[in-house]
Amino acid sequence: EAQVTQNPRYLITVTGKKLTVTCSQNMNHEYMSWYRQDPGLGLRQIYYSMNVEVTDKGDVPEGYKVSRKEKRNFPLILESPSPNQTSLYFCASSSHGVSGNTIYFGEGSWLTVV
Amino acid sequence: AQSVTQLGSHVSVSEGALVLLRCNYSSSVPPYLFWYVQYPNQGLQLLLKYTTGATLVKGINGFEAEFKKSETSFHLTKPSAHMSDAAEYFCAVSGGIKAAGNKLTFGGGTRVLVKP
Repeated sequence: EAQVTQNPRYLITVTGKKLTVTCSQNMNHEYMSWYRQDPGLGLRQIYYSMNVEVTDKGDVPEGYKVSRKEKRNFPLILESPSPNQTSLYFCASSSHGVSGNTIYFGEGSWLTVV
Repeated sequence: AQSVTQLGSHVSVSEGALVLLRCNYSSSVPPYLFWYVQYPNQGLQLLLKYTTGATLVKGINGFEAEFKKSETSFHLTKPSAHMSDAAEYFCAVSGGIKAAGNKLTFGGGTRVLVKP
């Protein structure tokens, strides 16, 4: 079954304590992205990756890092989380090909920074 | 640059009535357009998408949307609302697979309340 898997799904952490949200896809997709969802703003892209070792900033990259060492994994790193990073985070993946630009989303990770 | 505007952050409809959610977009390239639904405390589910071809797109759960290039719109409709349609709906636009990793630009969302 085609899946994008995020962990953890729910996390409460304290300001400044480094954390990583993992994302893994089993579809051999080239393209992966991270989004954050905030009320009234919809989802906004944080970082994206076009392939292994190729990453770039999205619209709201401040305070985040990513890496793409393997094609299937695209972790989101918060080196020093702050309360304004409290949000719902989604990982997404997609590929060129015959899928008609289908974008697959993970189930979301609820992050609270206190 | 791309942008999406959803008119109305909250919409209230009666059960059995027409659901109409408005979406206008701007895009410098031929757009791919999407509608997603998010039920409370859940992730995103794709309702329908427009890539090329027929401008009237049918999706899941009885929803459909029409791409109107001249109006830069992609409004979502359902003829008869059901209680289970209560959710938040997001319109999104993409510039395609090579645009920022197939980046989706989302509208702010419209929360639908269905009254019995």
